[in-house]
Amino acid sequence: DIQMTQSPSSVSASVGDRVTITCRASQGISNWLAWYQQKPGKAPNLLIYTASSLQSGVPSRFSGSGSGTDFTLTISSLQPEDFATYYCQQTNFFPFTFGPGTKVDIK
Amino acid sequence: EVLLVESGGGLVQTGGSLRLSCAASGFTFRDYWMTWVRQAPGKGLEWVAHIKKDGSEKYYVDSVKGRFTLSRDNVKYSLYLQMNTLRAEDTAVYYCARVTRGNGYNLDYWGQGTLVSVSS
Repeated sequence: DIQMTQSPSSVSASVGDRVTITCRASQGISNWLAWYQQKPGKAPNLLIYTASSLQSGVPSRFSGSGSGTDFTLTISSLQPEDFATYYCQQTNFFPFTFGPGTKVDIK
Repeated sequence: EVLLVESGGGLVQTGGSLRLSCAASGFTFRDYWMTWVRQAPGKGLEWVAHIKKDGSEKYYVDSVKGRFTLSRDNVKYSLYLQMNTLRAEDTAVYYCARVTRGNGYNLDYWGQGTLVSVSS
């Protein structure tokens, strides 16, 4: 199975900050990577697919990049509603493994 | 409006069975792959199983193979997960989710989840 890692596991940031989260796959997955946001007690929400495509309705302050094994999710200017946990997921090989998550909280 | 509503969760003893259902509306159910994802209390997300539009292909994570069976009824707009020989480690919120059409197996709509608790 492909192992997904994320760093950092948590980050404290302020409104307006630029936040970058890294996701790494244990082997190459081309650009078959998605990012999800999850708030406490809620289902995840798709933000980015195929590494860099913005899902409809998602604010443009979210962006993704990368291919192969290394990927990043960037929030250009953190907003109050962005405090949440973020997960990457590879969809190149079954099982479609998720990363362990990165919690973004208020500094 | 796309809606996915899970049901069937609850408390069950180790070795017992449960059948989860996911009722879909607001889209043409037979045109989409569907997925179950679970989340143990306080933990991350785990992809569990995946079924093709017509039910002809199914994929499972190794930890549930032979114990869980995924099925769908495209007439009733419903997805099912039959869970047998349940273990404590199956305790989780189970989400059903719709797979996007094209551009990979992304999950664009999710239900609210149903909690499965397995105790000894």
